[in-house]
Amino acid sequence: EAGVAQSPRYKIIEKRQSVAFWCNPISGHATLYWYQQILGQGPKLLIQFQNNGVVDDSQLPKDRFSAERLKGVDSTLKIQPAKLEDSAVYLCASSFPLGSGRADTQYFGPGTRLTVL
Amino acid sequence: AQTVTQSQPEMSVQEAETVTLSCTYDTSESDYYLFWYKQPPSRQMILVIRQEAYKQQNATENRFSVNFQKAAKSFSLKISDSQLGDAAMYFCAYRSRLQGAQKLVFGQGTRLTINP
Repeated sequence: EAGVAQSPRYKIIEKRQSVAFWCNPISGHATLYWYQQILGQGPKLLIQFQNNGVVDDSQLPKDRFSAERLKGVDSTLKIQPAKLEDSAVYLCASSFPLGSGRADTQYFGPGTRLTVL
Repeated sequence: AQTVTQSQPEMSVQEAETVTLSCTYDTSESDYYLFWYKQPPSRQMILVIRQEAYKQQNATENRFSVNFQKAAKSFSLKISDSQLGDAAMYFCAYRSRLQGAQKLVFGQGTRLTINP
């Protein structure tokens, strides 16, 4: 079974530029999560989707971050414009649908390491 | 809001020995999940073990086991017969069972080094 796929693995940009990350969840996983992991810390949830609807985006800096999951499968996370403090690893995770009885465990992709200069 | 605390930034153990990583959490909920994830240098978070709060029996997965003390809000991970491949960052995480509150709340992590 294929795992969660993410691209790119690494990205280096200058501040005020824009960047986008892509995630493809495990087949059959309706719930998708984006986490931000700053160096030396545990991951923090940015946004959670169930199918193509947003369940929780309370910690997403909406003035510069946006995310979409138009067809309920792949998802894109965008930062525009980037700041130095956005340097982090961006992790995508997926799980079975909420209420399915199998939604308790999240499976993570390899992450994208973003460096903002 | 729930919080997770890992008080050991770094731990080391000799190969083949046993090591215990500590985790405490704070919540007012009675039903939840607890997890230990491993993050090697490749950055991918790998599930090690999970515990459902309503189960009194401690979870085990091969060389990995937990000591879940619900009243004390403690959830430690024991790794037996440590292997070089166990070297990684280990994160303790909490997840509510309330509908709509599905996010994982992570601790700060413990870096585990295995000495050959």
